[in-house]
Amino acid sequence: SQTIHQWPATLVQPVGSPLSLECTVEGTSNPNLYWYRQAAGRGLQLLFYSVGIGQISSEVPQNLSASRPQDRQFILSSKKLLLSDSGFYLCAWSRGHEQYFGPGTRLTVT
Amino acid sequence: QQQVKQSPQSLIVQKGGISIINCAYENTAFDYFPWYQQFPGKGPALLIAIRPDVSEKKEGRFTISFNKSAKQFSLHIMDSQPGDSATYFCAASRPEGTYKYIFGTGTRLKVLA
Repeated sequence: SQTIHQWPATLVQPVGSPLSLECTVEGTSNPNLYWYRQAAGRGLQLLFYSVGIGQISSEVPQNLSASRPQDRQFILSSKKLLLSDSGFYLCAWSRGHEQYFGPGTRLTVT
Repeated sequence: QQQVKQSPQSLIVQKGGISIINCAYENTAFDYFPWYQQFPGKGPALLIAIRPDVSEKKEGRFTISFNKSAKQFSLHIMDSQPGDSATYFCAASRPEGTYKYIFGTGTRLKVLA
């Protein structure tokens, strides 16, 4: 069966500090991968998606970036965090229409 | 044309009652319509999904009703239980290799014991 992991689970970072969130998927190959952000009490905003290694598409201009160094690894990064980057970050994978979400990372920028 | 409009924003239902959440879309190219359930602090979980060639799909207490001509679909939760209290999101995706979703804004459901 397939499993998706995200870490860390929670993170508190000061404004201006760098960020690296990691997502890995087990039990499948060549999945589509997605990064979403969810503000408190709000909906899901698609940030990036990837259909293969090194292939990244950005949905929303911002100071975040994503990379896919391996088939089942997806990384979300920032060089300098802003207060507005606070939120719940979710990674998801799919092999077709069905998307499966990870447990999420709660990021608080102080 | 890319939006999915979800209503109501919040819903309170008595235990044993029927919870109904509605979504409407405009883009007729959408061909897959999932519903997700999200508990606080957790990632959304796929609940049930439907394709536009089917008018209804039932899984246990959860039913999707789909009206292609009206471009609307709804989630019905029969015999609602306090454990169903969560936020529900509808979504739609197009038949392309990225399978990107357009999500509704969510409905916070509270089932009273």
